[in-house]
Amino acid sequence: GQQLNQSPQSMFIQEGEDVSMNCTSSSIFNTWLWYKQDPGEGPVLLIALYKAGELTSNGRLTAQFGTTRKDSFLNISASIPSDVGIYFCAGEYGNKLVFGAGTILRVKS
Amino acid sequence: DSGVTQTPKHLITATGQRVTLRCSPRSGDLSVYWYQQSLDQGLQFLIQYYNGEERAKGNILERFSAQQFPDLHSELNLSSLELGDSALYFCASSPGRVAKNIQYFGAGTRLSVL
Repeated sequence: GQQLNQSPQSMFIQEGEDVSMNCTSSSIFNTWLWYKQDPGEGPVLLIALYKAGELTSNGRLTAQFGTTRKDSFLNISASIPSDVGIYFCAGEYGNKLVFGAGTILRVKS
Repeated sequence: DSGVTQTPKHLITATGQRVTLRCSPRSGDLSVYWYQQSLDQGLQFLIQYYNGEERAKGNILERFSAQQFPDLHSELNLSSLELGDSALYFCASSPGRVAKNIQYFGAGTRLSVL
């Protein structure tokens, strides 16, 4: 079945720094989604990408749908303490979402 | 607050037992999705119901079953529980029937099987 490789597994960065994470797969996906999960809560959708090559921003977050439809990246600019959490990519294929294993983001204030 | 309500928040039970997890979707949402999140496997899609009918199936074990009732709330039944079933179980809802629609997640039920 489809699998997503998400990297890095975790990051520990200085407040104010830019962050980059990505997801790759050997399979093609129709939609890429990026979620954030805070401790004790469910994932919350950050950005949805529906077309190959699409670049979308949501405040300090920017994500792109790779042109091959097999990858996506998420950038966070000027990180702040509340960016702490787990970020998941998800690909949609055959009306099912496949999630990456997550990137744990820790910010040093 | 996503508007999706899951009960109970925590559940502790023994191997071999059966439990029922409950989910109330956001008002107006017709689709309910169930996911399992464990430490070593991330978020795994289990099953989707749309307006009372099963719409899509993922990696759901035969020991697990779900249903969606006329009032659109859903229940996930887990039986003959094993230690490996310990995980966070999330419910999500969306207005339409396709998975790429925005899914709103509940806060989850943490199941501990001892």
